[in-house]
Amino acid sequence: QKEVEQNSGPLSVPEGAIASLNCTYSDRVSQSFFWYRQYSGKSPELIMSIYSNGDKEDGRFTAQLNKASQYVSLLIRDSQPSDSATYLCAVKDDKIIFGKGTRLHILP
Amino acid sequence: ETGVTQTPRHLVMGMTNKKSLKCEQHLGHNAMYWYKQSAKKPLELMFVYNFKEQTENNSVPSRFSPECPNSSHLFLHLHTLQPEDSALYLCASSRERGSGNEKLFFGSGTQLSVL
Repeated sequence: QKEVEQNSGPLSVPEGAIASLNCTYSDRVSQSFFWYRQYSGKSPELIMSIYSNGDKEDGRFTAQLNKASQYVSLLIRDSQPSDSATYLCAVKDDKIIFGKGTRLHILP
Repeated sequence: ETGVTQTPRHLVMGMTNKKSLKCEQHLGHNAMYWYKQSAKKPLELMFVYNFKEQTENNSVPSRFSPECPNSSHLFLHLHTLQPEDSALYLCASSRERGSGNEKLFFGSGTQLSVL
């Protein structure tokens, strides 16, 4: 059974600090990795994708991938109250498997 | 309109009712998906269509019946549902199923309550 694990949270981070969200996955041959943001009562929205080891930066967001450790993370710099949401990690081999998500709360 | 639109936004139905969920995408994508989202569970893939052909049925009970008449439209027909089927049903599309870059674009979802 392929699994994607995330800490459910809530993760509370002061405004302006760095929020660090982590995800581990069980399928060693996974090739594509995604982070989706889901606001309460809304649908998931893709914010980052990463396919090779290392870091990928997009504005305040940085995705980090370590395939040897089967670990992918999302860093949010200069956290804003509008970043408060649930962040879903998704991993793809032949199909896309989602984690349960981490609830992030940015404290004003 | 742009993106992925789903109707209705909310649906309450009895266990003997028949209803349908509708999804339409305006992104020029070739793959469409139905996902189920329940509280405290990860998103569960139900069905996938690629170029109008069903490529995946994730062991979904037959009381859920998908239909994909073309690459832009997707339906989920519901009949004799159970209370445990109450959930948020999300439609999504992507450029093509199975591509390495399979980015999903979600509709706003249908919140279904089965009484």
